Amino acid sequence: DQQVKQNSPSLSVQEGRISILNCDYTNSMFDYFLWYKKYPAEGPTFLISISSIKDKNEDGRFTVFLNKSAKHLSLHIVPSQPGDSAVYFCAASGSNDYKLSFGAGTTVTVRA
Amino acid sequence: GAGVSQTPSNKVTEKGKYVELRCDPISGHTALYWYRQSLGQGPEFLIYFQGTGAADDSGLPNDRFFAVRPEGSVSTLKIQRTERGDSAVYLCASSLRQGRGYTDTQYFGPGTRLTVL
Repeated sequence: DQQVKQNSPSLSVQEGRISILNCDYTNSMFDYFLWYKKYPAEGPTFLISISSIKDKNEDGRFTVFLNKSAKHLSLHIVPSQPGDSAVYFCAASGSNDYKLSFGAGTTVTVRA
Repeated sequence: GAGVSQTPSNKVTEKGKYVELRCDPISGHTALYWYRQSLGQGPEFLIYFQGTGAADDSGLPNDRFFAVRPEGSVSTLKIQRTERGDSAVYLCASSLRQGRGYTDTQYFGPGTRLTVL
């Protein structure tokens, strides 16, 4: 069963505007969450992470928000740039675990 | 420093053949993972090594799949009697894995695209 869900397969945003990507999870044992970015023909590249002891983590243009009660996290990209066009994967694991469970990905297209 | 490398980048084989996929992790990373990504899906866990031993191979789909890491560095994923359904991108990742914790980020290689005809 899919424990991590990204319900939006695609997102189109204008350059300079905010991109918001959403992710939901079902496993209450998950306490570490990551976002990966993937370009065609390349492996996923680590972008940003958050542990369950926080509700927000920021790194430059990227901010991840975690709502544990709703089992929901989101990635905000501000401002969006053409180079941000890629597939974004949400992933999760538990502290007593090591394997990552991934969502199906969201394809972001940033329009000039 | 060098990231995770995987060879070959592409592999085309015929149904029933045997294939080996290689992964070279980041130097110093004790943990190594194999994932498989099918079209339109996220990566799915196959197997995890801590050092030389397979700590968890619960994600391997069947006994045609096997992986080794004899010296605790390079790993080889082996697939026997390949089937068309094995076609996917096989991703390798490594991490420091210095005990449990929140900050053990997995770093991925570029993957091997396997096509079984």
